[in-house]
Amino acid sequence: TQLLEQSPQFLSIQEGENLTVYCNSSSVFSSLQWYRQEPGEGPVLLVTVVTGGEVKKLKRLTFQFGDARKDSSLHITAAQPGDTGLYLCEGQAGTALIFGKGTTLSVSS
Amino acid sequence: DTGVSQNPRHKITKRGQNVTFRCDPISEHNRLYWYRQTLGQGPEFLTYFQNEAQLEKSRLLSDRFSAERPKGSFSTLEIQRTEQGDSAMYLCASSQRGDRGTYEQYFGPGTRLTVT
Repeated sequence: TQLLEQSPQFLSIQEGENLTVYCNSSSVFSSLQWYRQEPGEGPVLLVTVVTGGEVKKLKRLTFQFGDARKDSSLHITAAQPGDTGLYLCEGQAGTALIFGKGTTLSVSS
Repeated sequence: DTGVSQNPRHKITKRGQNVTFRCDPISEHNRLYWYRQTLGQGPEFLTYFQNEAQLEKSRLLSDRFSAERPKGSFSTLEIQRTEQGDSAMYLCASSQRGDRGTYEQYFGPGTRLTVT
């Protein structure tokens, strides 16, 4: 069974702090997506990473795909209250689509 | 482009009733997916279509669940004889093949089902 483990499960920080969330698996994925989800809404795609070692930046967010394409990280610099939400990673391996359970981030001002 | 839409947004039903949800994908997207999400969990894959063909179904999709995409456009998900355990958010997503060979999914707002 393919699993994606996300850590930490919950994160509560102050505005301006930096943070990293992780997405780990023993399986190799052809691509990995990160999403942000707000309560009562569907996930919103942030980024897709495809190549091992790939780094993508989206303003204050930096995404990295592991060299072996089994893990990924999301780093947020100078977090803001608007970053609050559930961060989900999803791996694609062939036709299999697997989501992690998510990291709930709360940023207070 | 108006994005993926889902109707209804909320549905309350009594145990044993049948319910049907609709998803309208982004018009040029050929793939359509259904997921179920419960509180504190990530979305769980249920099924997906490429055009009108249902290509994969999860073991989570019991025989009470059926999905259709009759003309390769909108899709419906029907749950028969609902149970309290069916209470969840049902999410629809659509995608098309990108220039890197990936299928990036765009999600609708979901339908929140409550079975009483």
